[in-house]
Amino acid sequence: AQKVTQAQTEISVVEKEDVTLDCVYETRDTTYYLFWYKQPPSGELVFLIRRNSFDEQNEISGRYSWNFQKSTSSFNFTITASQVVDSAVYFCALETSGSRLTFGEGTQLTVNP
Amino acid sequence: DTAVSQTPKYLVTQMGNDKSIKCEQNLGHDTMYWYKQDSKKFLKIMFSYNNKELIINETVPNRFSPKSPDKAHLNLHINSLELGDSAVYFCASSQGGFSYNSPLHFGNGTRLTVT
Repeated sequence: AQKVTQAQTEISVVEKEDVTLDCVYETRDTTYYLFWYKQPPSGELVFLIRRNSFDEQNEISGRYSWNFQKSTSSFNFTITASQVVDSAVYFCALETSGSRLTFGEGTQLTVNP
Repeated sequence: DTAVSQTPKYLVTQMGNDKSIKCEQNLGHDTMYWYKQDSKKFLKIMFSYNNKELIINETVPNRFSPKSPDKAHLNLHINSLELGDSAVYFCASSQGGFSYNSPLHFGNGTRLTVT
């Protein structure tokens, strides 16, 4: 069975702080994909990144960066110099060839001015 | 143009009623999905269709019946609505049978409130 754990239910930071959202996954499959989605207060779900299990290179996109470590089954997401517009619920998700996309329970990030 | 659009955005209805939510995607994707997000924000897949064929049905009560007239549309009909059906329902689409072939593109959600 697949499982995604986002242990941080809520995080609150002050603007310009760096913040890391944790994601730990469980799967027995060797081929899988990991995702991050953002759900701002307006409610839509926005795709941020997809990473396959064979590519452990970290990725940076502007103020966003992702750290994938198979050794600890983690796929953490860091926002550098956070902004109020980053306030949202962030979901980590896992999919394997044998199962559908499984979401974590989400982390509510609040960035205060 | 909105890639995945669902209507209505809000739906308030009484217990026992029957209601439908419509979804359309203009991305040319061959796979469409319905997800349910509960009050705790937990997202869970309900159904998936690939080229109009049902490929996923995740232990959803048979009061919920999806219908896909063509690969660009996936509608959700709910009979005999119950209080526990209150949630946000998201339609999504992707290219390929599973989302790992391409990421899911979500609609903006339909907030269903059953009173």
